[in-house]
Amino acid sequence: DSGVTQTPKHLITATGQRVTLRCSPRSGDLSVYWYQQSLDQGLQFLIQYYNGEERAKGNILERFSAQQFPDLHSELNLSSLELGDSALYFCASSVDPKDTQYFGPGTRLTVL
Amino acid sequence: DQQVKQNSPSLSVQEGRISILNCDYTNSMFDYFLWYKKYPAEGPTFLISISSIKDKNEDGRFTVFLNKSAKHLSLHIVPSQPGDSAVYFCAATAYSNAGGTSYGKLTFGQGTILTVHP
Repeated sequence: DSGVTQTPKHLITATGQRVTLRCSPRSGDLSVYWYQQSLDQGLQFLIQYYNGEERAKGNILERFSAQQFPDLHSELNLSSLELGDSALYFCASSVDPKDTQYFGPGTRLTVL
Repeated sequence: DQQVKQNSPSLSVQEGRISILNCDYTNSMFDYFLWYKKYPAEGPTFLISISSIKDKNEDGRFTVFLNKSAKHLSLHIVPSQPGDSAVYFCAATAYSNAGGTSYGKLTFGQGTILTVHP
């Protein structure tokens, strides 16, 4: 158990819908990262927050957004969902950006 | 453009033998490298890391070697155990080259499926 929690574990929804994925970092970690793992793309970095502020963006679609709240938990919002958004979404956290990242168990999103 | 590559999709090893997993990178700005292990239906688990100022780092049965001139790193597992069977991901980041702010963005390889047979 890495100490990073993600909810829900599984999510099944339809095209065009909007979903929110939630992540609680390890106690004491200020930095949160979101990654997407799809069959053809592997693990891809989406976005990073540090103590509530966005720090870096990767290959994140404009339909996707994220935020980190004052209690340091983070949410990833995916809207206008398409079939290709079906993937595993992982959250990771670290004390600061130079520290080792520890991953949560992931949320499996299926878009039908 | 795949900046981190694991060219072997799979590796099969006998229990007790050495497992060697390889990883190549192209971005010379990368200065920190990590290996993660992943079981099905779980998140990646951190195994071992190495800074670009070193060429070797050991932790129990796991050793990571870094050859900067070849832009190549490898993970050695000795002795291999059936419980080591998993997908192994190599990852790289550029801690000290991120414009004064350490971003920590990890770039992952595609993974290698390791199977250790009893």
